[in-house]
Amino acid sequence: DTGVSQDPRHKITKRGQNVTFRCDPISEHNRLYWYRQTLGQGPEFLTYFQNEAQLEKSRLLSDRFSAERPKGSFSTLEIQRTEQGDSAMYLCASSLDGGAVGNTIYFGEGSWLTVV
Amino acid sequence: AQSVSQHNHHVILSEAASLELGCNYSYGGTVNLFWYVQYPGQHLQLLLKYFSGDPLVKGIKGFEAEFIKSKFSFNLRKPSVQWSDTAEYFCAVISYSSASKIIFGSGTRLSIRP
Repeated sequence: DTGVSQDPRHKITKRGQNVTFRCDPISEHNRLYWYRQTLGQGPEFLTYFQNEAQLEKSRLLSDRFSAERPKGSFSTLEIQRTEQGDSAMYLCASSLDGGAVGNTIYFGEGSWLTVV
Repeated sequence: AQSVSQHNHHVILSEAASLELGCNYSYGGTVNLFWYVQYPGQHLQLLLKYFSGDPLVKGIKGFEAEFIKSKFSFNLRKPSVQWSDTAEYFCAVISYSSASKIIFGSGTRLSIRP
């Protein structure tokens, strides 16, 4: 158990519906990341937070995607007007400060999204 | 463009065979390097990491990796694989110029025949 929790683990939704994923990081971690992973590919960076501030967003994160971390603890990732191309696993990860300073980034088990 | 390349998409070995999975990156400057493993149905777990010092890094479960700066490589090795090593393996990099995020390769699926 890594300590990063994601909910729900699986979500099937109809095209055009909105979905929201929640991530609870390891409690003392101030950095929180969102990644997307499709079959046969490595995780792709979407966005990250330092405490409650969203500091970087990938170009993969279209206007239909929004992420928040209102109190610097848990985070939500919302996808509006889902499309079939959004079908993927959405991974959350957390770390104490950044990985570049020697801290390990811990991943959650992911939330599988299937858009039908 | 900055990238991480894993040349082997699927590797099939018999138990007790030796393993080497290739990883190359295209970042300049100082980098930190990682290998993550994803067992079937499980989350990504850190196998090992390199930040500085000895370029030969030892990780969990008998894995090791060697950082060769001149070749921009960080290959993963294990002298004798077990059936339980069946998993997907991801090489990943953080560059000091983009210290905010870890960039992954596309992964190598390892299948071990019992």
